Amino acid sequence: GDSVTQMEGPVTLSEEAFLTINCTYTATGYPSLFWYVQYPGEGLQLLLKATKADDKGSNKGFEATYRKETTSFHLEKGSVQVSDSAVYFCALVPPGGSYIPTFGRGTSLIVHP
Amino acid sequence: NAGVTQTPKFRILKIGQSMTLQCTQDMNHNYMYWYRQDPGMGLKLIYYSVGAGITDKGEVPNGYNVSRSTTEDFPLRLELAAPSQTSVYFCASRPPPTGNKNIQYFGAGTRLSVL
Repeated sequence: GDSVTQMEGPVTLSEEAFLTINCTYTATGYPSLFWYVQYPGEGLQLLLKATKADDKGSNKGFEATYRKETTSFHLEKGSVQVSDSAVYFCALVPPGGSYIPTFGRGTSLIVHP
Repeated sequence: NAGVTQTPKFRILKIGQSMTLQCTQDMNHNYMYWYRQDPGMGLKLIYYSVGAGITDKGEVPNGYNVSRSTTEDFPLRLELAAPSQTSVYFCASRPPPTGNKNIQYFGAGTRLSVL
């Protein structure tokens, strides 16, 4: 079945540091890929997405590129802020109109001033 | 815009008690979901629904029941609460899979403790 693997957290960074959170997936065909963010005490919200190979999703300074050859969708940001402290979830939706997403376990990011 | 609204935000139950977690959405989404989130374990799908009158089990349905009598509402029922059901529960909805509209919209969650 489909699966999403994220790097273990927590990831602890100083403000303005470069961020990478790794995400790899296993799925048949070309799934849609997503990053969701969960701020403390809140539900998940969409951060960015990509729907086909080589697409780059971007939002709020975060970027992720859909790499079919490495089945990866790593999240990056050039300069993190304290306000980026949250839990980040990688997810996929299989092709063909499936309505059951598969989520990774989430990676906690802590940014210190 | 209200989006997905969950009530209550917090609840403490005694073992064996029952309760209903409420979820309503105002986006006219056909698809609705219930997840539980345990520390460090990500999201596990409990039940989902593709429209009014249609529900199906997810990965961890035991101990829970759902109903979907309207498009807007998707309540989750715990009949005999057990400590293993201590968790944070999230309701989500999404539009039908037309084009690239596979985005899920989440409520703020219900934090449940069973003691």
